[in-house]
Amino acid sequence: GQQVMQIPQYQHVQEGEDFTTYCNSSTTLSNIQWYKQRPGGHPVFLIQLVKSGEVKKQKRLTFQFGEAKKNSSLHITATQTTDVGTYFCAGQAGNNRKLIWGLGTSLAVNP
Amino acid sequence: EAQVTQNPRYLITVTGKKLTVTCSQNMNHEYMSWYRQDPGLGLRQIYYSMNVEVTDKGDVPEGYKVSRKEKRNFPLILESPSPNQTSLYFCASSFNILENTEAFFGQGTRLTVV
Repeated sequence: GQQVMQIPQYQHVQEGEDFTTYCNSSTTLSNIQWYKQRPGGHPVFLIQLVKSGEVKKQKRLTFQFGEAKKNSSLHITATQTTDVGTYFCAGQAGNNRKLIWGLGTSLAVNP
Repeated sequence: EAQVTQNPRYLITVTGKKLTVTCSQNMNHEYMSWYRQDPGLGLRQIYYSMNVEVTDKGDVPEGYKVSRKEKRNFPLILESPSPNQTSLYFCASSFNILENTEAFFGQGTRLTVV
């Protein structure tokens, strides 16, 4: 079936270091969304990418959608303790436009 | 304030005792869904609803039921809970699945079945 692989599963960084999480889909996606879940919280929508090769920025966060619309990345520049949480990608594909979720990358930041 | 409200937030119950987790959204969203979240398994969709009276199975529907009699409400029913249904449950809604597909999540319900 359709899958979205997300790596790494965990990442531990020192505050100020950069962080990147990657998602790879087995099929072409119509769009990809990114969510952040703080510890003890619920997933919160960050952004949606639709176009091939699209790049979007939100302050220190940079989101990319691959040319083939099968992969995506989230890069955080100079991490802060407020970035702690689990980052999920979710791609839409198929006629029913179902959201296919990656397993998430848990980010820990040492102050 | 636009929100998805789940109740209860925490629930401990015994095997076999029927329970309902309620979910309500105030954004007039067409699409609603239920997920369970377990360590190492991410978010897995249980059931979804594309509109009133339209529901369908997700990836892990066994042991669960849903209904969508009104647009705002999408309750999750466990007729005979078992310990393997101990999990963190999230309800989510979005405008529809074709546009404005951003999902809004409820606060979560942590269920323990003993």
